[in-house]
Amino acid sequence: AQKITQTQPGMFVQEKEAVTLDCTYDTSDPSYGLFWYKQPSSGEMIFLIYQGSYDQQNATEGRYSLNFQKARKSANLVISASQLGDSAMYFCAMTRHNQAGTALIFGKGTTLSVSS
Amino acid sequence: SAVISQKPSRDICQRGTSLTIQCQVDSQVTMMFWYRQQPGQSLTLIATANQGSEATYESGFVIDKFPISRPNLTFSTLTVSNMSPEDSSIYLCSVQGLAGSQYFGPGTRLTVT
Repeated sequence: AQKITQTQPGMFVQEKEAVTLDCTYDTSDPSYGLFWYKQPSSGEMIFLIYQGSYDQQNATEGRYSLNFQKARKSANLVISASQLGDSAMYFCAMTRHNQAGTALIFGKGTTLSVSS
Repeated sequence: SAVISQKPSRDICQRGTSLTIQCQVDSQVTMMFWYRQQPGQSLTLIATANQGSEATYESGFVIDKFPISRPNLTFSTLTVSNMSPEDSSIYLCSVQGLAGSQYFGPGTRLTVT
């Protein structure tokens, strides 16, 4: 069965420092996508970054980069130069294909707290 | 990316009653998804709703409890029936974007007393 594991319930970082949020996954699908979402206290889900399983290069989007290690089945999110506004819950997710369509399965999330 | 709106944004309901949540998308989409996020938990897929066919429910979710309508390519509703306090959650609809990504609505925060 497909599974996403986020082992860090909470992470703390100072402003302007970099932080890595861990994510490992398990799937038997030959093709899949990996995603990171940010959920602030308002509850909305904000898409941050995407990595395809066949992409050769790690994805980057501004201050976000995804450290994709396919052999280790890991897809860690790196946030550079943390800002106070980065304080939120972060979810790693993976595509799941079935007859109904392509949905996402989510990890349990990591709460990031950025201090000044 | 699609712009998704949900109504209501939040509600407080009494146990035993039902609430219908609306999801509107600004473009036509084939698939829409409904997720539940219980307090302090991750997102769990309730069902996939394709226009013109019955919704496909995930294990642990049944149509009698969470009936879904999908009358056209831009709209869907999820009803939470015969509510209990355990149904207190954020309910989110989403649509599929490129490469399997999903864009989420702002969510409906439901409290059942």
